[in-house]
Amino acid sequence: TQLLEQSPQFLSIQEGENLTVYCNSSSVFSSLQWYRQEPGEGPVLLVTVVTGGEVKKLKRLTFQFGDARKDSSLHITAAQPGDTGLYLCAGASNTGKLIFGQGTTLQVKP
Amino acid sequence: DVKVTQSSRYLVKRTGEKVFLECVQDMDHENMFWYRQDPGLGLRLIYFSYDVKMKEKGDIPEGYSVSREKKERFSLILESASTNQTSMYLCASGVAARETQYFGPGTRLLVL
Repeated sequence: TQLLEQSPQFLSIQEGENLTVYCNSSSVFSSLQWYRQEPGEGPVLLVTVVTGGEVKKLKRLTFQFGDARKDSSLHITAAQPGDTGLYLCAGASNTGKLIFGQGTTLQVKP
Repeated sequence: DVKVTQSSRYLVKRTGEKVFLECVQDMDHENMFWYRQDPGLGLRLIYFSYDVKMKEKGDIPEGYSVSREKKERFSLILESASTNQTSMYLCASGVAARETQYFGPGTRLLVL
């Protein structure tokens, strides 16, 4: 069974701080997606990474896919209160479906 | 703008009741999904459908059934609701099962 483990599960930081969220597995994934979910809403796709070693940037967010395609990270620079939410990674499994990590709840305090 | 809508944002039901959760997408997607979301467990796939009248069990199908009579509509049915089915239910649609999924706002179900 392919699993994705996210860490940390909870993160509470002050506005302006940097942070990194990790998404790890012992299995290889053909691609990995990152979603953000705000309270009362469904998850919304932020980015998809496909190639091992790939780095993608979305304003202050930097996403990296591990060389072996078993892990990924999300780095936020100078976090803002608007970044508050639940961050989910999801891998395209060998059964043809998405497997989701358990999520990282981020709170950015003004 | 893509849109997935769910029939209710909040539902309160009694143990043993039959519960219907409806989901509609306007993107002409072949694939539709039902997940439940519980704290610390992420999203777990209940059922998905890859075409009209076609369905496949996900990871936690027990106690649930689904119906897809039209391409745009996917229903989740709890035949006899139990307290352990209290959860947030998310519907999603997508072009392919492993590609980007578009989610509805969720239905928070409380079973008393």
